[in-house]
Amino acid sequence: NAGVTQTPKFQVLKTGQSMTLQCAQDMNHEYMSWYRQDPGMGLRLIHYSVGAGITDQGEVPNGYNVSRSTTEDFPLRLLSAAPSQTSVYFCASSYRGRNSGANVLTFGAGSRLTVL
Amino acid sequence: GDSVTQMEGPVTLSEEAFLTINCTYTATGYPSLFWYVQYPGEGLQLLLKATKADDKGSNKGFEATYRKETTSFHLEKGSVQVSDSAVYFCALGITGGGNKLTFGTGTQLKVEL
Repeated sequence: NAGVTQTPKFQVLKTGQSMTLQCAQDMNHEYMSWYRQDPGMGLRLIHYSVGAGITDQGEVPNGYNVSRSTTEDFPLRLLSAAPSQTSVYFCASSYRGRNSGANVLTFGAGSRLTVL
Repeated sequence: GDSVTQMEGPVTLSEEAFLTINCTYTATGYPSLFWYVQYPGEGLQLLLKATKADDKGSNKGFEATYRKETTSFHLEKGSVQVSDSAVYFCALGITGGGNKLTFGTGTQLKVEL
């Protein structure tokens, strides 16, 4: 199984450029989410989705857009990149909880973005 | 809001030493608690979890006990190996909260021969 696949692994942008980080999962997970990882700050939630056609904002949504047209895909769009968006981005997915407790996330390998 | 506090790293140990990484949390609900591990160049993967008070999660020789009275979930391993070198994240999630986990800042562990 591929699990959660993110592309690209590395990207360099200039300020003001736009791009899309791709995320795909093949586990038929209902939930998908995007986190960013910054030194000394752990992982912070950007946007999440509880199913196709449903998205919501996380802790740090500004400057990012998402959509979820299929169960498998959850792309993250940067409309006008800024140096503050230099980070490592992780996509994660999980089943809707069927047992007690919060869901276990499956993460992709990450996408390292540098904005000059 | 919910928060997770971890001890800062890096933590450097000799092989076969005892490991403790402290984690405390603040939550408005009754959370599940997790330890995730990130090996160099990879994404995070679940190490262990606990869903209710006094539960002990364990995996690969690592253990952590959900202590509601001290709001803690400290990670321990009796004898670390070089292959345990990684970044360890403590996290909490609320039942029914889907994939909205709150993470600590991470603790880097370096194990030397």
